[in-house]
Amino acid sequence: AQTVTQSQPEMSVQEAETVTLSCTYDTSESDYYLFWYKQPPSRQMILVIRQEAYKQQNATENRFSVNFQKAAKSFSLKISDSQLGDAAMYFCAYSYYTGANSKLTFGKGITLSVRP
Amino acid sequence: DTEVTQTPKHLVMGMTNKKSLKCEQHMGHRAMYWYKQKAKKPPELMFVYSYEKLSINESVPSRFSPECPNSSLLNLHLHALQPEDSALYLCASSQDPSLLRVEQYFGPGTRLTVT
Repeated sequence: AQTVTQSQPEMSVQEAETVTLSCTYDTSESDYYLFWYKQPPSRQMILVIRQEAYKQQNATENRFSVNFQKAAKSFSLKISDSQLGDAAMYFCAYSYYTGANSKLTFGKGITLSVRP
Repeated sequence: DTEVTQTPKHLVMGMTNKKSLKCEQHMGHRAMYWYKQKAKKPPELMFVYSYEKLSINESVPSRFSPECPNSSLLNLHLHALQPEDSALYLCASSQDPSLLRVEQYFGPGTRLTVT
């Protein structure tokens, strides 16, 4: 069974600093996608970044980047130059193909607070 | 445009009421999803529609009844709910359910309270 583990329930970062959110997953599949979703207090789930498992190059989106270690099944999110608007719950998610559909498996999430 | 809309934003209903939640997307996506989310928890998948056909039902109680009238619309009909069904109900869509490269786009959700 595919599982996604986010072991840190909460983290805090000073504004303008860098923070890394950890995520590990377990799968026997070779082809899959990994995602980080952000859910601010307004509750709208927003896609932050995605990574294709077959790509060795780590994905980046402006201040957000990932460290994808396929052998270690690790997928961490780095937020550079943290801003107050980055405060949210962050979910790591894994997508796999079931034969007819793809499904998202979410980690438990981590609450990130940003100190001014 | 990556917008998924949901109505209503908030809903309060009694245990004997019948109500419906509505979700709409105009991105040409062929897969649509219903999730239930409790506070500070990840979303839990309820149903998946693929090309307007129900393809996944995650053992959801029959008091929740999904419907997909067309490729842009997804409804969730509610009847005889329990207080523990109070949650945020999220709708999502993705481009093609048979592809792996299918990030899901979420709507803002409907906050449901069952009294």
